[in-house]
Amino acid sequence: DAKTTQPNSMESNEEEPVHLPCNHSTISGTDYIHWYRQLPSQGPEYVIHGLTSNVNNRMASLAIAEDRKSSTLILHRATLRDAAVYYCIRVNDMRFGAGTRLTVKP
Amino acid sequence: NAGVTQTPKFRILKIGQSMTLQCTQDMNHNYMYWYRQDPGMGLKLIYYSVGAGITDKGEVPNGYNVSRSTTEDFPLRLELAAPSQTSVYFCASSYSVAINIQYFGAGTRLSVL
Repeated sequence: DAKTTQPNSMESNEEEPVHLPCNHSTISGTDYIHWYRQLPSQGPEYVIHGLTSNVNNRMASLAIAEDRKSSTLILHRATLRDAAVYYCIRVNDMRFGAGTRLTVKP
Repeated sequence: NAGVTQTPKFRILKIGQSMTLQCTQDMNHNYMYWYRQDPGMGLKLIYYSVGAGITDKGEVPNGYNVSRSTTEDFPLRLELAAPSQTSVYFCASSYSVAINIQYFGAGTRLSVL
């Protein structure tokens, strides 16, 4: 199956780091991993992407396993505004599963 | 810079009616997409386009039609609306199919009663 696999939900405390995992065991060598997030009542928003090496931007970091079968989105200090559904997708497939619903507690 | 604009934001249709969901982007992107999102679910690809005059089916195309006469516009047509088409519809665009960072509109919430 070409889908990615993510936990249905996760919780975090405000200002603590959050690690959102994703398994993509059937990924090909040229397939980028993308992460999007969807705030309530909004369209998905691009967060970060990567191919082989770890990536950082102003929103998050992306850690990709050496065998590329999994990746982790890292929010370094969760805020209440980070509460959303986070999707991990393979660019060659572009299937958005149910994602991980992140709850941030004050 | 407006990005991807979808109209209308909300619509209620009766069974059997037709309508067109509008999508326009001002980023000169060649690639455009239509998704639907049912409650509590992820997005499913309905149709996509790689440029003006070229469209192709996605995962769930039945009951929908699209056209792409210009780079900017990618309307989605619903013929003979059915309750199963009650959903939130998102349009997206991207500039590169290789990296394919997609920019989404705010969505159209459609109810078919």
